Amino acid sequence: DAGITQSPRHKVTETGTPVTLRCHQTENHRYMYWYRQDPGHGLRLIHYSYGVKDTDKGEVSDGYSVSRSKTEDFLLTLESATSSQTSVYFCAISETGPWGTEAFFGQGTRLTVV
Amino acid sequence: TQLLEQSPQFLSIQEGENLTVYCNSSSVFSSLQWYRQEPGEGPVLLVTVVTGGEVKKLKRLTFQFGDARKDSSLHITAAQPGDTGLYLCAGAGDTGRRALTFGSGTRLQVQP
Repeated sequence: DAGITQSPRHKVTETGTPVTLRCHQTENHRYMYWYRQDPGHGLRLIHYSYGVKDTDKGEVSDGYSVSRSKTEDFLLTLESATSSQTSVYFCAISETGPWGTEAFFGQGTRLTVV
Repeated sequence: TQLLEQSPQFLSIQEGENLTVYCNSSSVFSSLQWYRQEPGEGPVLLVTVVTGGEVKKLKRLTFQFGDARKDSSLHITAAQPGDTGLYLCAGAGDTGRRALTFGSGTRLQVQP
């Protein structure tokens, strides 16, 4: 199994509070991704990173920010959580990007905003 | 924005039946992957196809990439309860986006 760990695995938070999710990898892969999964939507890209301090937005990036200060860690922050951000969040890593190489996923973080 | 449409969204069949899942787009993809996801877990790669018209087989699963590289299909022969799960197609485009685009998924349930 690829060495990718998400923390926390479950979190309940109140509307308006900031929340940070962590993704840690031991594979030294260049690319790291944050997706959210909601019923009927598959996986939607929030942000991704293609190197330390190199990040880009996905199609559902509003209300989220990311940071990558080390190869192994990719943090996702919900600046002020809203109920619409209740979802399952998946981190993924890839050695050389999406072109024909495998993406390895963490086990997910279930976030509930009340 | 490149989109991938999967059909059907849900499929409930009896053990031993055959089925096909479709993944369609109006955009061209340089490669396409299929993942399977089980409850409480992240998706796991089944196959990658990169050439238009390519066919790959993985035991009872047959994957095909369309000639124009805009669509793909997954065919399962003699489905088994162990095939139950969420099947996701994902494409890598020719644009500057360095991330996979995922389809909405097909949830398959195989009844014993």
